[in-house]
Amino acid sequence: DQQVKQNSPSLSVQEGRISILNCDYTNSMFDYFLWYKKYPAEGPTFLISISSIKDKNEDGRFTVFLNKSAKHLSLHIVPSQPGDSAVYFCAARSTSGTYKYIFGTGTRLKVLA
Amino acid sequence: EPEVTQTPSHQVTQMGQEVILRCVPISNHLYFYWYRQILGQKVEFLVSFYNNEISEKSEIFDDQFSVERPDGSNFTLKIRSTKLEDSAMYFCASRRTVGNTEAFFGQGTRLTVV
Repeated sequence: DQQVKQNSPSLSVQEGRISILNCDYTNSMFDYFLWYKKYPAEGPTFLISISSIKDKNEDGRFTVFLNKSAKHLSLHIVPSQPGDSAVYFCAARSTSGTYKYIFGTGTRLKVLA
Repeated sequence: EPEVTQTPSHQVTQMGQEVILRCVPISNHLYFYWYRQILGQKVEFLVSFYNNEISEKSEIFDDQFSVERPDGSNFTLKIRSTKLEDSAMYFCASRRTVGNTEAFFGQGTRLTVV
């Protein structure tokens, strides 16, 4: 069974500080891990991804780290801005079947001004 | 920037009625997906579609669900006889090729079954 878990349902961070969102997975049949951002009443918006053969990918204020031995990834946002307040979903792309995406339950990030 | 569009944004239907949710994927994309999110729960895979046929479906996607790409641009999800538990946000997504990492999602259709 392919599982992606986000154990923190919510996170509050002060503006300008670092936000760290975590994700764990229980299966190795994934080739990419992705982070999506979701505002209420909108669809998930792609943020950043990382290949399963890498351990870090950076894009501006967003960095994703992958620890394969621990089956853990994290998204770092620095500096955090109030506009970053949203629900963040970790997703893993399955290599079995048609490369579908398995989503975690999401973490609601609130950046306080 | 090209985007996935979904209509309607909100659909209210009576239990037992058929609904069709519509999606227009990004034009040069080849892989299409339907996902749903029941309120407060995770985004769940329903079905993937490639080369005019279903490639993979989840256990949620039972006989009451069907998908079609009738005219080369629209991608529809039909729920034949809706149940209360079908109430959810339904998201359509598309991806260009296997080599592209991410799928792009529409803004969703909120389905309310009463």
